[in-house]
Amino acid sequence: QKEVEQNSGPLSVPEGAIASLNCTYSDRGSQSFFWYRQYSGKSPELIMSIYSNGDKEDGRFTAQLNKASQYVSLLIRDSQPSDSATYLCAVNNNNDMRFGAGTRLTVKP
Amino acid sequence: SQTIHQWPATLVQPVGSPLSLECTVEGTSNPNLYWYRQAAGRGLQLLFYSVGIGQISSEVPQNLSASRPQDRQFILSSKKLLLSDSGFYLCAWEGLGGGNEQFFGPGTRLTVL
Repeated sequence: QKEVEQNSGPLSVPEGAIASLNCTYSDRGSQSFFWYRQYSGKSPELIMSIYSNGDKEDGRFTAQLNKASQYVSLLIRDSQPSDSATYLCAVNNNNDMRFGAGTRLTVKP
Repeated sequence: SQTIHQWPATLVQPVGSPLSLECTVEGTSNPNLYWYRQAAGRGLQLLFYSVGIGQISSEVPQNLSASRPQDRQFILSSKKLLLSDSGFYLCAWEGLGGGNEQFFGPGTRLTVL
């Protein structure tokens, strides 16, 4: 069974702190990795894509990928209350996209 | 730019009634299209995907069906709804950059009573 695992949270951080979200996956053949943000009652929004080992930065977001450990993470620097949402990890292997159940993040003012 | 539409936004249906949800994409041609369902507190479950007109692949056997009558139109249907069909139905299209990125429509929240 191909799985994508995330801690459901909730993860609570103070405003201005770094939020760290983690995801592990079981399919070693996975090639593409994504983070989506989903506000309550809304559809998921793609915020980061990563395809090779290492870090990828985009504004306050940094995605980290370690294929050997089958681990992908998302760091959110200078967290804002508007970052409060559920973050979904997604892993793709040959057009087979699998999603984690998401981690709920709360940023407290 | 590409946009994706879904309707209706919300729907309340009795058990045993039929269902038709529509998804349309603008600004792209021959996209790969996907139907997902998200149950409360759970991850996204892929239901169907389509790589072209009339081409449908089913991921989960159930009482739902999908059709793609036009290049940019994807329809999810059921002849008789079950209580377990309640959920948030999301249509997605795959970007053309080769990176397998998927972009979601606004979704339809279905409640079966």
